[in-house]
Amino acid sequence: EVQLLESGGGLVQPGGSLRLSCAASGFTFSDYAISWVRQAPGKGLEWVSGIAGTAIRTYYADSVKGRFTFSRDNSKNTLNLQMSSLRSDDTAIYYCARVAVFQGFWYFDYWGQGTVVTVSS
Amino acid sequence: DIQMTQSPSSVSASVGNRVTITCRASQGISNWLAWYQQKPGKAPKLLIYAASSLQNGVPSRFSGSGSGTDFTLTISSLQPEDIATYYCQQANTFPLTFGGGTKVEIK
Repeated sequence: EVQLLESGGGLVQPGGSLRLSCAASGFTFSDYAISWVRQAPGKGLEWVSGIAGTAIRTYYADSVKGRFTFSRDNSKNTLNLQMSSLRSDDTAIYYCARVAVFQGFWYFDYWGQGTVVTVSS
Repeated sequence: DIQMTQSPSSVSASVGNRVTITCRASQGISNWLAWYQQKPGKAPKLLIYAASSLQNGVPSRFSGSGSGTDFTLTISSLQPEDIATYYCQQANTFPLTFGGGTKVEIK
């Protein structure tokens, strides 16, 4: 059974840093790209970042580029999202999602339950 | 960035009725579009990818169509368990983007 378990969320002050983790199981981890998708309170979904299975390529939304860094450790089946210079509009539920690549295009076929990040003073 | 616009923002229909949701892309994306269902307090679930391919395990009352800039998600016979918010997502170009969502309710 495919499982994705996020952790590391919490309350942080504006300008602060936080590291989110995602632990994966139930599939050959290095064969799959993974993405982070967030959802602000009462709002829609926003793609944040993605990383290829080999970790050679990473992708970021403009809203987080230069502030967030996505990495993975294929030996431990884990992923980390290092977030810095956090702003109030980064407040959201952060979901880790497995990427299903169909003819080179990315869809999200399994999702974790999310971890809540609140940026507030 | 490619903007995805969904309509309507909410729809109310009776059990057994047909429900249609539309998603429009700001530029052509071929058929690189997915639909997701999100129930309150839950993570999204993939329903359809490549505009019309049904994800394994998804009931056949869900169907998708479209190409280019205009896409449709249809629920042929609305069931109580279909109450949720539905999102489209373009997979054509980074950054990947979602529509604003359509909330489906029972009348």
